Amino acid sequence: GNSVTQMEGPVTLSEEAFLTINCTYTATGYPSLFWYVQYPGEGLQLLLKATKADDKGSNKGFEATYRKETTSFHLEKGSVQVSDSAVYFCALTVTGGGNKLTFGTGTQLKVEL
Amino acid sequence: GAGVSQSPSNKVTEKGKDVELRCDPISGHTALYWYRQSLGQGLEFLIYFQGNSAPDKSGLPSDRFSAERTGGSVSTLTIQRTQQEDSAVYLCASSLSQQEGETQYFGPGTRLLVL
Repeated sequence: GNSVTQMEGPVTLSEEAFLTINCTYTATGYPSLFWYVQYPGEGLQLLLKATKADDKGSNKGFEATYRKETTSFHLEKGSVQVSDSAVYFCALTVTGGGNKLTFGTGTQLKVEL
Repeated sequence: GAGVSQSPSNKVTEKGKDVELRCDPISGHTALYWYRQSLGQGLEFLIYFQGNSAPDKSGLPSDRFSAERTGGSVSTLTIQRTQQEDSAVYLCASSLSQQEGETQYFGPGTRLLVL
């Protein structure tokens, strides 16, 4: 079946530190890949996505590159801010699956001053 | 424009009672999805609709769970004879279509607590 594996959290960083949250997947065919974010007290919202191999999704300073050879979609940001504190979910959809999302377990990020 | 809305935002019920959760998708979105977020299981897919039909109900945990969508718009998720393990946040999302890769927009969720 399809699955997503994310690094365990929580991740605690100082402001302006470099962020990497690892995500690897198992899927039939070539999935579309997503990062969703859930800020404290708010709903899930799309952060970025990539729909084919070697595509790079980017938004709000975050980036992730769809790597078919390593089945990965790691999330990176060069300099985190306190306002980036949230839970980050990696997810995928597969062709013929009705676009239903399969999520990883989520990684909590806490950024401190 | 308006996003996805869900009601109620919170629901406390007694074990054995039935509950109905409502989702209003973004206008014009033909696909609607229900997910459940719980501490033990993370975020899991329940069911999705394309128009008024449900091509995939594979995530519904038991026959106590059902859902319908009318007029290609509002959807209701019903849980009969609730159990404590049903306690979770129930999330609804909608997208323009069911095409793979289409962005889903999530509502704020309904937090269900079964006592």
